[in-house]
Amino acid sequence: EAAVTQSPRSKVAVTGGKVTLSCHQTNNHDYMYWYRQDTGHGLRLIHYSYVADSTEKGDIPDGYKASRPSQENFSLILELASLSQTAVYFCASSDAQCTTGQLYFGEGSKLTVL
Amino acid sequence: AQKVTQTQTSISVMEKTTVTMDCVYETQDSSYFLFWYKQTASGEIVFLIRQDSYKKENATVGHYSLNFQKPKSSIGLIITATQIEDSAVYFCAMREGTGANTGKLTFGHGTILRVHP
Repeated sequence: EAAVTQSPRSKVAVTGGKVTLSCHQTNNHDYMYWYRQDTGHGLRLIHYSYVADSTEKGDIPDGYKASRPSQENFSLILELASLSQTAVYFCASSDAQCTTGQLYFGEGSKLTVL
Repeated sequence: AQKVTQTQTSISVMEKTTVTMDCVYETQDSSYFLFWYKQTASGEIVFLIRQDSYKKENATVGHYSLNFQKPKSSIGLIITATQIEDSAVYFCAMREGTGANTGKLTFGHGTILRVHP
Protein backbone atom coordinates (compact mmCIF):
# COMPACT_ATOMS: atom_id res chain seq x y z
CA GLU A 1 0.00 0.00 0.00
CA ALA A 2 1.27 3.44 -0.91
CA ALA A 3 2.41 5.40 2.07
CA VAL A 4 4.23 8.40 3.44
CA THR A 5 6.51 7.60 6.36
CA GLN A 6 8.32 10.06 8.60
CA SER A 7 11.27 9.72 10.93
CA PRO A 8 11.81 10.29 13.71
CA ARG A 9 8.25 10.22 15.03
CA SER A 10 9.34 12.12 18.08
CA LYS A 11 12.43 14.10 18.93
CA VAL A 12 13.72 16.31 21.71
CA ALA A 13 16.33 18.81 20.62
CA VAL A 14 18.32 21.52 22.36
CA THR A 15 18.15 25.15 21.39
CA GLY A 16 20.76 25.92 18.76
CA GLY A 17 21.13 22.31 17.72
CA LYS A 18 20.57 20.89 14.26
CA VAL A 19 17.49 18.81 13.55
CA THR A 20 16.69 16.81 10.44
CA LEU A 21 13.25 15.38 9.83
CA SER A 22 13.01 12.80 7.09
CA CYS A 23 10.15 11.77 4.87
CA HIS A 24 9.87 8.83 2.47
CA GLN A 25 6.98 8.15 0.12
CA THR A 26 6.12 5.10 -1.95
CA ASN A 27 3.23 6.80 -3.76
CA ASN A 28 5.36 7.59 -6.82
CA HIS A 29 4.20 11.18 -6.42
CA ASP A 30 6.07 14.14 -7.82
CA TYR A 31 5.02 16.67 -5.19
CA MET A 32 6.05 16.60 -1.57
CA TYR A 33 5.36 19.05 1.23
CA TRP A 34 6.30 19.90 4.79
CA TYR A 35 3.58 21.36 6.99
CA ARG A 36 3.78 22.52 10.56
CA GLN A 37 0.92 22.12 13.04
CA ASP A 38 0.57 24.24 16.13
CA THR A 39 -2.35 24.20 18.49
CA GLY A 40 -4.93 26.64 17.22
CA HIS A 41 -3.12 27.31 13.96
CA GLY A 42 -4.06 24.43 11.74
CA LEU A 43 -1.47 23.36 9.18
CA ARG A 44 0.95 25.83 7.64
CA LEU A 45 3.17 25.12 4.64
CA ILE A 46 6.92 25.42 5.23
CA HIS A 47 8.53 24.06 2.05
CA TYR A 48 7.47 21.98 -0.89
CA SER A 49 9.04 20.33 -3.91
CA TYR A 50 7.72 19.26 -7.28
CA VAL A 51 10.85 17.55 -8.58
CA ALA A 52 14.00 15.99 -7.19
CA ASP A 53 16.88 18.38 -6.45
CA SER A 54 14.54 21.36 -6.28
CA THR A 55 12.64 22.91 -3.38
CA GLU A 56 10.33 25.90 -3.02
CA LYS A 57 9.46 28.13 -0.10
CA GLY A 58 6.03 27.85 1.37
CA ASP A 59 4.24 30.32 3.61
CA ILE A 60 6.51 30.09 6.68
CA PRO A 61 10.02 29.09 5.45
CA ASP A 62 12.11 31.18 7.86
CA GLY A 63 14.39 29.05 10.02
CA TYR A 64 13.92 25.96 7.85
CA LYS A 65 15.68 24.41 4.90
CA ALA A 66 14.51 21.53 2.74
CA SER A 67 16.22 18.91 0.64
CA ARG A 68 14.79 16.64 -2.05
CA PRO A 69 17.58 14.25 -3.11
CA SER A 70 15.21 11.87 -4.90
CA GLN A 71 11.56 11.56 -5.83
CA GLU A 72 10.93 9.40 -2.77
CA ASN A 73 12.73 11.43 -0.11
CA PHE A 74 12.19 14.91 1.27
CA SER A 75 13.91 16.27 4.37
CA LEU A 76 13.27 19.27 6.57
CA ILE A 77 16.32 20.78 8.22
CA LEU A 78 16.47 23.08 11.20
CA GLU A 79 20.05 24.35 11.29
CA LEU A 80 19.65 26.21 14.59
CA ALA A 81 16.60 24.91 16.41
CA SER A 82 14.68 27.42 18.49
CA LEU A 83 11.98 27.12 21.14
CA SER A 84 9.41 28.53 18.72
CA GLN A 85 9.95 25.57 16.42
CA THR A 86 8.40 23.17 18.90
CA ALA A 87 5.50 21.72 16.92
CA VAL A 88 4.24 18.67 15.07
CA TYR A 89 5.54 18.41 11.53
CA PHE A 90 3.71 16.62 8.75
CA CYS A 91 5.07 15.50 5.43
CA ALA A 92 2.67 14.93 2.53
CA SER A 93 2.75 13.96 -1.11
CA SER A 94 0.49 14.50 -4.10
CA ASP A 95 0.34 13.41 -7.69
CA ALA A 96 1.30 16.04 -10.24
CA GLN A 97 -1.21 14.60 -12.66
CA CYS A 98 -3.99 14.85 -10.11
CA THR A 99 -5.66 18.16 -10.69
CA THR A 100 -7.57 17.93 -7.44
CA GLY A 101 -4.54 18.46 -5.23
CA GLN A 102 -5.48 15.77 -2.72
CA LEU A 103 -2.67 15.28 -0.21
CA TYR A 104 -1.51 12.04 1.41
CA PHE A 105 -0.03 12.70 4.84
CA GLY A 106 2.60 10.98 6.92
CA GLU A 107 2.07 10.17 10.59
CA GLY A 108 3.66 13.35 11.88
CA SER A 109 6.88 14.09 13.76
CA LYS A 110 6.60 15.71 17.17
CA LEU A 111 9.53 18.04 17.81
CA THR A 112 10.22 19.51 21.22
CA VAL A 113 12.98 22.09 21.47
CA LEU A 114 14.28 22.76 24.98
CA ALA B 1 -3.77 35.71 -0.98
CA GLN B 2 -6.09 32.92 -0.13
CA LYS B 3 -7.50 32.46 3.35
CA VAL B 4 -9.62 29.79 5.02
CA THR B 5 -11.56 30.46 8.22
CA GLN B 6 -13.25 27.98 10.52
CA THR B 7 -15.04 29.94 13.21
CA GLN B 8 -16.19 26.99 15.31
CA THR B 9 -13.42 25.92 17.67
CA SER B 10 -15.31 22.89 18.96
CA ILE B 11 -18.69 21.21 18.66
CA SER B 12 -20.31 18.56 20.84
CA VAL B 13 -23.16 16.40 19.58
CA MET B 14 -24.99 13.27 20.57
CA GLU B 15 -24.42 10.10 18.64
CA LYS B 16 -26.66 9.48 15.61
CA THR B 17 -27.45 13.17 15.12
CA THR B 18 -26.45 15.44 12.23
CA VAL B 19 -23.73 18.05 12.59
CA THR B 20 -22.63 20.89 10.32
CA MET B 21 -19.18 22.46 10.46
CA ASP B 22 -18.69 25.86 8.91
CA CYS B 23 -15.92 27.12 6.68
CA VAL B 24 -15.54 30.34 4.70
CA TYR B 25 -12.76 31.13 2.29
CA GLU B 26 -11.22 34.02 0.40
CA THR B 27 -9.72 33.78 -3.05
CA GLN B 28 -9.20 35.92 -6.11
CA ASP B 29 -9.38 32.92 -8.41
CA SER B 30 -12.45 31.95 -10.39
CA SER B 31 -11.41 28.32 -10.25
CA TYR B 32 -10.47 26.53 -7.02
CA PHE B 33 -10.87 23.31 -5.07
CA LEU B 34 -12.17 22.94 -1.52
CA PHE B 35 -11.37 20.03 0.77
CA TRP B 36 -12.20 18.62 4.15
CA TYR B 37 -9.67 16.53 6.05
CA LYS B 38 -10.06 14.64 9.31
CA GLN B 39 -7.37 14.30 11.97
CA THR B 40 -7.95 11.44 14.37
CA ALA B 41 -6.79 11.22 17.97
CA SER B 42 -3.71 9.32 16.82
CA GLY B 43 -2.72 12.30 14.68
CA GLU B 44 -3.45 10.67 11.37
CA ILE B 45 -4.76 13.11 8.73
CA VAL B 46 -7.02 11.71 6.05
CA PHE B 47 -8.85 13.21 3.11
CA LEU B 48 -12.65 13.12 3.37
CA ILE B 49 -14.32 14.99 0.54
CA ARG B 50 -13.73 17.59 -2.19
CA GLN B 51 -15.77 20.26 -3.95
CA ASP B 52 -14.72 21.73 -7.28
CA SER B 53 -15.71 25.39 -7.57
CA TYR B 54 -17.17 24.98 -11.06
CA LYS B 55 -19.58 22.27 -9.94
CA LYS B 56 -23.00 23.35 -8.70
CA GLU B 57 -23.86 19.96 -7.26
CA ASN B 58 -22.83 19.41 -3.64
CA ALA B 59 -20.34 16.58 -3.17
CA THR B 60 -21.36 13.55 -1.12
CA VAL B 61 -19.25 10.64 0.11
CA GLY B 62 -20.81 8.14 2.47
CA HIS B 63 -22.25 10.01 5.45
CA TYR B 64 -20.29 13.14 4.57
CA SER B 65 -21.78 15.84 2.37
CA LEU B 66 -20.99 19.45 1.56
CA ASN B 67 -23.10 22.60 1.54
CA PHE B 68 -21.38 24.71 -1.09
CA GLN B 69 -22.64 28.29 -1.22
CA LYS B 70 -20.42 29.99 -3.76
CA PRO B 71 -21.90 33.50 -3.45
CA LYS B 72 -21.14 33.38 0.27
CA SER B 73 -17.70 31.76 -0.22
CA SER B 74 -18.85 29.06 2.15
CA ILE B 75 -18.27 25.31 2.21
CA GLY B 76 -19.91 23.55 5.14
CA LEU B 77 -19.29 19.90 6.03
CA ILE B 78 -22.36 17.92 7.05
CA ILE B 79 -22.03 14.62 8.86
CA THR B 80 -25.24 12.64 9.18
CA ALA B 81 -25.89 9.85 11.68
CA THR B 82 -22.73 10.69 13.61
CA GLN B 83 -20.79 7.90 15.29
CA ILE B 84 -18.40 7.95 18.22
CA GLU B 85 -15.52 7.38 15.82
CA ASP B 86 -16.35 10.64 14.06
CA SER B 87 -14.84 12.41 17.05
CA ALA B 88 -11.81 14.17 15.58
CA VAL B 89 -10.48 17.50 14.35
CA TYR B 90 -11.83 18.55 10.97
CA PHE B 91 -9.88 20.84 8.68
CA CYS B 92 -11.20 22.81 5.77
CA ALA B 93 -8.67 23.55 3.01
CA MET B 94 -8.49 25.26 -0.36
CA ARG B 95 -6.34 25.06 -3.45
CA GLU B 96 -6.46 27.70 -6.12
CA GLY B 97 -6.84 26.36 -9.60
CA THR B 98 -4.68 28.70 -11.60
CA GLY B 99 -1.01 28.40 -12.35
CA ALA B 100 1.12 25.33 -11.99
CA ASN B 101 -0.47 22.46 -10.19
CA THR B 102 1.66 22.57 -7.07
CA GLY B 103 -1.08 21.07 -4.97
CA LYS B 104 -0.44 23.64 -2.27
CA LEU B 105 -3.31 23.75 0.17
CA THR B 106 -4.25 26.51 2.60
CA PHE B 107 -5.85 25.11 5.75
CA GLY B 108 -8.24 26.51 8.31
CA HIS B 109 -7.46 26.19 12.02
CA GLY B 110 -9.72 23.19 12.47
CA THR B 111 -12.90 22.34 14.37
CA ILE B 112 -12.89 19.77 17.17
CA LEU B 113 -15.89 17.46 16.99
CA ARG B 114 -16.89 15.44 20.02
CA VAL B 115 -19.59 12.82 19.58
CA HIS B 116 -21.16 11.60 22.83
CA PRO B 117 -23.03 8.31 23.37
